[in-house]
Amino acid sequence: EVQLVESGGGLVKPGGSLRLSCAGSGFTFSNAWMNWVRQAPGKGLEWVGRIKSKPDGGATDYAAPVKGRFTISRDDSKNKVYVQMNSLKTEDTAVYYCATGWYLDFWGRGTLVTVSS
Amino acid sequence: EIVLTQSPGTLSLSPGARATLSCRASQSVSNNYLAWYQQKPGQAPRLLIYGASSRATGIPDRFSGSGSGTDFTLTISRLEPEDFAVYYCQQYGSSPMYTFGQGTKLEIK
Repeated sequence: EVQLVESGGGLVKPGGSLRLSCAGSGFTFSNAWMNWVRQAPGKGLEWVGRIKSKPDGGATDYAAPVKGRFTISRDDSKNKVYVQMNSLKTEDTAVYYCATGWYLDFWGRGTLVTVSS
Repeated sequence: EIVLTQSPGTLSLSPGARATLSCRASQSVSNNYLAWYQQKPGQAPRLLIYGASSRATGIPDRFSGSGSGTDFTLTISRLEPEDFAVYYCQQYGSSPMYTFGQGTKLEIK
């Protein structure tokens, strides 16, 4: 059974930093493209970014609102993907989900990030 | 960036009815790389349809997707009580930018 578990969310002040983790199991993590998707309270889904598998080049891509502030990385030895979030803004407040694949076939339950003074 | 517009915003129907949800793209979706997701309150989204018309594993056959180019449809043939939720379309053909529609809320009439 595929499982994705996000962690690392919490309350952070504007301008601060936070690193989220997502641990995967039940699939060949090293071959999986991994995505981050967020959902602001009461709003729709927003794709944040993606890291390809190392066999596919390992490249990262980001949505325009987070480009230059967020960095996605992976550690295949630990079956984990991360998103380092810097220069956080109040509008980054959201539940952050990790999801597998080219289309998003499996999702974690999410972790809440609140950016507030 | 491809903009996806879903309609209607809210759809009120009774169990047993047929639901038709629309997703229109601002430009053609490459290779019909369009997916549909279902999200219930307090839960993560769940993949229903990919490639515009292929059902994901374990998805009941009352869910079907159709369309091509810029116009796509999710049809639920006979609504079950558990189908009332928010539905999102998403395009993954315009790599590297994925975009979602704003969602359609399917509520019990």
